Amino acid sequence: GESVGLHLPTLSVQEGDNSIINCAYSNSASDYFIWYKQESGKGPQFIIDIRSNMDKRQGQRVTVLLNKTVKHLSLQIAATQPGDSAVYFCAENPNTGNQFYFGTGTSLTVIP
Amino acid sequence: NAGVMQNPRHLVRRRGQEARLRCSPMKGHSHVYWYRQLPEEGLKFMVYLQKENIIDESGMPKERFSAEFPKEGPSILRIQQVVRGDSAAYFCASSPTTGLNQPQHFGDGTRLSIL
Repeated sequence: GESVGLHLPTLSVQEGDNSIINCAYSNSASDYFIWYKQESGKGPQFIIDIRSNMDKRQGQRVTVLLNKTVKHLSLQIAATQPGDSAVYFCAENPNTGNQFYFGTGTSLTVIP
Repeated sequence: NAGVMQNPRHLVRRRGQEARLRCSPMKGHSHVYWYRQLPEEGLKFMVYLQKENIIDESGMPKERFSAEFPKEGPSILRIQQVVRGDSAAYFCASSPTTGLNQPQHFGDGTRLSIL
């Protein structure tokens, strides 16, 4: 089956620094990816998505990069703030179905 | 996570009892997905439903678990004869159209604890 994994389970950054969270996926047929943010006691919150026909997409303070050659996805957060502290998941959607496959998550801690 | 409403937020059951989890999708969304999350793990897909139809239940255990999304009312995930291993957070998500290449929007989940 598909697997989505993250390189680093935890990440600590100083407030104001940039954060980079990485994700590896295994299904080369996946053509749609989402980054979700999950705060304690809450459900996953959509941050940004990217389709496989793109290699970069920018939002407000966030950028997602997709490298299909090595099946790697990253989330960059600019000027990280304490409110960014959460667990971040990447999720892939193979074009064979409707479900998303989630990685185990990276816990981001922002140090004031 | 405005829009997708799940209740109850917390549910405690004794082994052997039944658990019923409810999900009302975002307004205008007719596609509902249920996921399960164990502590410090990612979400695992269980079932995908449209109104009155189960489209994909490949992630849902064959026994004791069932799901429905009636024409009127919320989607229900039912777990019969619960066991300790059913303790988890159960999340519902919805999308306006088919899930292919569409973001799914999540509720805040139901945390099920089995005594």
